[in-house]
Amino acid sequence: KNQVEQSPQSLIILEGKNCTLQCNYTVSPFSNLRWYKQDTGRGPVSLTIMTFSENTKSNGRYTATLDADTKQSSLHITASQLSDSASYICVASNQAGTALIFGKGTTLSVSS
Amino acid sequence: EPEVTQTPSHQVTQMGQEVILRCVPISNHLYFYWYRQILGQKVEFLVSFYNNEISEKSEIFDDQFSVERPDGSNFTLKIRSTKLEDSAMYFCASSEVGSGLSEQYFGPGTRLTVT
Repeated sequence: KNQVEQSPQSLIILEGKNCTLQCNYTVSPFSNLRWYKQDTGRGPVSLTIMTFSENTKSNGRYTATLDADTKQSSLHITASQLSDSASYICVASNQAGTALIFGKGTTLSVSS
Repeated sequence: EPEVTQTPSHQVTQMGQEVILRCVPISNHLYFYWYRQILGQKVEFLVSFYNNEISEKSEIFDDQFSVERPDGSNFTLKIRSTKLEDSAMYFCASSEVGSGLSEQYFGPGTRLTVT
């Protein structure tokens, strides 16, 4: 069964600190791995998309990694800001690519 | 910047009633999607739509659901006879192409409450 699991479920950090969120996926055949940011009551917004051949991709203070052999991905946030408080969702796509398989997300709270 | 819009933002309906959720995808996009998110749970894929046809649908998308592109701009999701368990946030998304790497842009969602 296609699944995406994320950890931790929630995380609280101080403004300015770094953090890393984890994702494990079992999707076959695998096409790509995405990270989305979802603010409360809003639609998800894409941060990164990586194919199985890519190991890392950055978008500003966000850096995603992918290990297609172990089926693991991580999202590293550098120098966190209050506006980073949101749910971060790991999403895998199968080879057809149209149906996205979402994880439950990690809820990040950045405090001052 | 172009964005996906959805109306209404919140819909309250009684069990057994029909509801139509509306979406206006980004204008040059050709692929359209509906997702739902039950409160506290993960986002779930419902259906994808291209060239006036359903291209893929999930097990959730049963006979009570239907989608339509009634004109050149709107994309709708109809739920024929709503159930309490249909209460959720419904997100519309669109993409330029339907390949695995296509960026899907999500709307702000419609919160459906079935009483």
